[in-house]
Amino acid sequence: GAVVSQHPSWVICKSGTSVKIECRSLDFQATTMFWYRQFPKQSLMLMATSNEGSKATYEQGVEKDKFLINHASLTLSTLTVTSAHPEDSSFYICSARKRDRYQPQHFGDGTRLSIL
Amino acid sequence: DAKTTQPPSMDCAEGRAANLPCNHSTISGNEYVYWYRQIHSQGPQYIIHGLKNNETNEMASLIITEDRKSSTLILPHATLRDTAVYYCIVRGGSSNTGKLIFGQGTTLQVKP
Repeated sequence: GAVVSQHPSWVICKSGTSVKIECRSLDFQATTMFWYRQFPKQSLMLMATSNEGSKATYEQGVEKDKFLINHASLTLSTLTVTSAHPEDSSFYICSARKRDRYQPQHFGDGTRLSIL
Repeated sequence: DAKTTQPPSMDCAEGRAANLPCNHSTISGNEYVYWYRQIHSQGPQYIIHGLKNNETNEMASLIITEDRKSSTLILPHATLRDTAVYYCIVRGGSSNTGKLIFGQGTTLQVKP
C-alpha cells in the first residue's frame, strides 16, 4: 500500500515553455502533498507544502509565481514550472501523506526535467 | 524540528548487518525519528519510524536510545541492492505541518 505515482518520469523541453508534473496517490487519500527539488549530488530541498483545497505554502526563496502548485483533490497534486529556463533543470519529486501528520510520507519516483 | 547528524559514508560487506547511526541530541518529546533511503535516480523510500520504543518491520529495525538522543537503523542482512543514501529525519511537534527536512544522509556502500 501507500503508492505514489508521478508523471512524467522525464521531460525535455525548450526554454520559455511551461511544464506540468502530476503527482497521484493511488491507494490512499492524501490530505497533504509536498514538492521537492534535487540537484545533482545534493540532498532533497523542500519547495512547498500543499493541502487539499487550499493554497500551497512555499518555502523561503521559492518563487510561487514560477512554480504553480494545485491540489484540487485528495489524490492529485500538480506542479507547473512556468516559463522554464535551463536553471530550472532538476529532479522534481513529490510526496504524499495521510491526514495524521505523524504518518510517514510516501514518495513518487521523481521527474527529471531538462530545459534546453 | 531537531537537527540530525549522520556519518557521510559507510561500507558494509554483503550478508552482514549494516548499522547506521544517527544523533539527534535536541529531539523533543513529541518528535518522531524517520528513516528513508534513496537509491540513485529514484524517489526516497520510507523504511521505518519510531517515537521511543524500538521498532522492526520487514525491511529493518530501529533502535532508539533511552534518552532518545540517538538511534541506529539496522539492516540485518545487507545486499548489494541496499546500496543507497540513508536519511535520518526527526519531525513532529504540535505546530509542525509534517514536512521533512532532508540533511546530507549516509551513503551506504554494500560490497560483495
